[in-house]
Amino acid sequence: KNEVEQSPQNLTAQEGEFITINCSYSVGISALHWLQQHPGGGIVSLFMLSSGKKKHGRLIATINIQEKHSSLHITASHPRDSAVYICAVYYGGSQGNLIFGKGTKLSVKP
Amino acid sequence: DSGVTQTPKHLITATGQRVTLRCSPRSGDLSVYWYQQSLDQGLQFLIQYYNGEERAKGNILERFSAQQFPDLHSELNLSSLELGDSALYFCASNPSGPYNEQFFGPGTRLTVL
Repeated sequence: KNEVEQSPQNLTAQEGEFITINCSYSVGISALHWLQQHPGGGIVSLFMLSSGKKKHGRLIATINIQEKHSSLHITASHPRDSAVYICAVYYGGSQGNLIFGKGTKLSVKP
Repeated sequence: DSGVTQTPKHLITATGQRVTLRCSPRSGDLSVYWYQQSLDQGLQFLIQYYNGEERAKGNILERFSAQQFPDLHSELNLSSLELGDSALYFCASNPSGPYNEQFFGPGTRLTVL
């Protein structure tokens, strides 16, 4: 049972386009993380959210606690944004750690 | 560079063998996390240590074990290896718990033949 759903699975965009990746989860959480995995395999943490919205450069992450939904937006996309974007949630309590979505593979064409 | 190091980068071994993966966390980080990433299962949490003690356990097989040493480096031991254990194994660290941002190492790619 996958408790974290991401959409779309794959996304191809033209350079400059506005990108949105979605993440839904099933029950209340303590925190939600967005991660970026480069083609070489390395993983970088982009955001940790428990409420509201965060912005870093061209990346914006939002979370709606009531709707159990988060979005990651990329403005003015660039080929270097091509990567897999992974949503992970921390339920806390007895579910001791992060549970990951299956990822969204983004390819940005020049 | 996250400051987390993992060795070796690549490991090729045979079924039935035992291997040890090593992780050095960022300076000052007390928590170490181990994750497995396979093609069919995606990323899965294996185990967390905090300051030398096991803090949380996830989908870790009984054939796998881990420990965190007094200098805070950690080792993941995989024994009686099976073809299905082939995966990328990531270590991550942070100062406290999974609620907070984690810093990932470059991973060890294990291939079991």
